[in-house]
Amino acid sequence: SQQGEEDPQALSIQEGENATMNCSYKTSINNLQWYRQNSGRGLVHLILIRSNEREKHSGRLRVTLDTSKKSSSLLITASRAADTASYFCATDPQGGSEKLVFGKGTKLTVNP
Amino acid sequence: GAGVSQSPRYKVAKRGQDVALRCDPISGHVSLFWYQQALGQGPEFLTYFQNEAQLDKSGLPSDRFFAERPEGSVSTLKIQRTQQEDSAVYLCASSLGQGTGELFFGEGSRLTVL
Repeated sequence: SQQGEEDPQALSIQEGENATMNCSYKTSINNLQWYRQNSGRGLVHLILIRSNEREKHSGRLRVTLDTSKKSSSLLITASRAADTASYFCATDPQGGSEKLVFGKGTKLTVNP
Repeated sequence: GAGVSQSPRYKVAKRGQDVALRCDPISGHVSLFWYQQALGQGPEFLTYFQNEAQLDKSGLPSDRFFAERPEGSVSTLKIQRTQQEDSAVYLCASSLGQGTGELFFGEGSRLTVL
């Protein structure tokens, strides 16, 4: 079963625009992570935000976490064609065994 | 090695055949995970090792699926009597310590069962 749900399922934007993806989850968490997957490749870790953090930045990435709403957002600023990929949120549920639970992903297309 | 290595990258099996998928994690990584990813979906957890101990196998879909990591390094996921519904990409990931910090993924093994 998958705990996270990303929204939207697919997003198409022009180069230079910002892309925002949302993730909702069901149970309390220790941390939330975002991963990127290019077509036919493995997942690459982007950023981790802990349950006691509200916002985190890494380069052109900005992640927010609202534990009261059980939701997170990933913002990619000044998007590039190379950002085209699927993006997944993954949660580390509290009280569970040590595993990440992934959502279904948002497929982002950045048009040049 | 530099990253997590999985082999084979592609495997075509006839229904009923047994398959073995190998994962070579990053040297020194304690934790190793196997995930199954169907087309257009997110990865689904299969099993977790901490060194050679299999601490969680709750995601294995049936007793046809078996994983091992006998020396706490290389891991093998074995699927017996493959079925068409087993067709998916099998992803291996490792992490340095215990717990769920950053996972490093391999490129995956794409299994197609005819």
